[in-house]
Amino acid sequence: EVQLVESGGGLVKPGGSLRLSCAASGFTFSSHSMNWVRQAPGKGLEWVSSTSSSSRYIYYADSVKGRFTISRDNAKDSLHLQMNSLRAEDTAVYYCARDSYDLLSGTITMDVWGQGTTVIVSS
Amino acid sequence: QSVLTQPPSASEPPGQRVTISCSGSSSNIGSNTVNWYQQLPGTAPKLLIYNNNQRPSGVPDRFSGSKSGTSASLAISGLQSEDEADYYCAAWDDSLDGWVFGGGTKLTVL
Repeated sequence: EVQLVESGGGLVKPGGSLRLSCAASGFTFSSHSMNWVRQAPGKGLEWVSSTSSSSRYIYYADSVKGRFTISRDNAKDSLHLQMNSLRAEDTAVYYCARDSYDLLSGTITMDVWGQGTTVIVSS
Repeated sequence: QSVLTQPPSASEPPGQRVTISCSGSSSNIGSNTVNWYQQLPGTAPKLLIYNNNQRPSGVPDRFSGSKSGTSASLAISGLQSEDEADYYCAAWDDSLDGWVFGGGTKLTVL
């Protein structure tokens, strides 16, 4: 079964740091780009960051650029998000999501999501 | 303010058909395919439509998607109470180098 399981969320004070992890199973992790997407309470989905399969290409939303760092360990089938200088507006459920590339159509789909881990930034 | 624009809400009685729109620009929907996600209360988003109009296995054919230019739409026919959820469109944005989402549409089956 294809599965993504996030961990590492919790309560942190403004200015603090947190490291999220996502454990992948049931597929060849090293063949897929991966993403972090977040959802603030009562709000919509917001893409946070993406990494290509080899970590060669990494992208960030402007809202987290310079504060968050995405990384992956293909040997351990894991994805991480190091979050520094956290702000109240970073409070959200953080989802790990897999990209799948269709060779025939040349299209990319964010097709598998984890259950999410909750980050609360509050004093 | 989401990059893709969706109506915040939609409602129809059971058995009817509803369409949810998603408007973007040349750098996202105009250049790339659109995906739709269903998010039931308290759960993670689930892929509903990919590549504009393709359904993953297990998604009923009551759900369909289409795209024209810089807009896309999701249609749900034969509405059922279990279709009550939030629906999001998404596409890769070539200018932002990232995924962009619509603000979500809350569907109520009256």
